[in-house]
Amino acid sequence: SQTIHQWPATLVQPVGSPLSLECTVEGTSNPNLYWYRQAAGRGLQLLFYSVGIGQISSEVPQNLSASRPQDRQFILSSKKLLLSDSGFYLCAWSFTGGGQPQHFGDGTRLSIL
Amino acid sequence: GQQLNQSPQSMFIQEGEDVSMNCTSSSIFNTWLWYKQDPGEGPVLLIALYKAGELTSNGRLTAQFGITRKDSFLNISASIPSDVGIYFCAGRKVGGSQGNLIFGKGTKLSVKP
Repeated sequence: SQTIHQWPATLVQPVGSPLSLECTVEGTSNPNLYWYRQAAGRGLQLLFYSVGIGQISSEVPQNLSASRPQDRQFILSSKKLLLSDSGFYLCAWSFTGGGQPQHFGDGTRLSIL
Repeated sequence: GQQLNQSPQSMFIQEGEDVSMNCTSSSIFNTWLWYKQDPGEGPVLLIALYKAGELTSNGRLTAQFGITRKDSFLNISASIPSDVGIYFCAGRKVGGSQGNLIFGKGTKLSVKP
C-alpha cells in the first residue's frame, strides 16, 4: 500500500527566513504530487503540482517555489518568508491519469513570527 | 480560485441522527470526491464517484453523483461522536487538468453526545 510522509508537523519561523518542507511517497512509482495551503477559512488552495521529476506547475503567483528532485520527493521552499505565508500546508499524491483521487499527508502547521 | 458551493457550512446534530450535505456547481464534473478532515490532520478520502447517478456507500456513509453532473450529496446515517470533523467535497471538471481538483469550503459537523 501507499503512504505519504510530510515533515515537520509544526514549524515556527521568523519573517525573512528560508523555508523547506519535505514530502515523500512510498509504495508507488511516478505519482502526481501536489502542494496545497489551507487557510483558517478551511478551503484548500492548490499551490503546485508535478507529474514527473523536474516538472512543476504553479497555480498561483506567490512567494513559494516547489521542486521534485526525485520521483517520490516533493519539496516546498521559500527564500524569504512573509507573514502571509502562515498556514497549514498539505502535500498530496495521486496515481497518474484523469480522475484519480488525491491522498493527503498530515500537513505542516507553519507560523511566521 | 474556483470553489464549489458546499452546504451547509456547519451542522450541530444529536448523536444517532442522520446527516445530509451537498455540493453544487455551475460546471459539469466527471469526478466527485468526499473527504473528512480531523483537527490538525490531512483530509482522508471517504468516497470517490465517477459516473452520473452513481451511488456508493462506505459503512454508514453514502454519496451520490448527481444525474446533472453538477452536484453531489453525502449522507451519514446514525451519527456518532467520532463523525465530528470537517467534510469536504472535491470535483474535477470535464476538461480539467490533472492537477485541478476544485474543493468546497467544507461542512463542519459537530455531534452532541
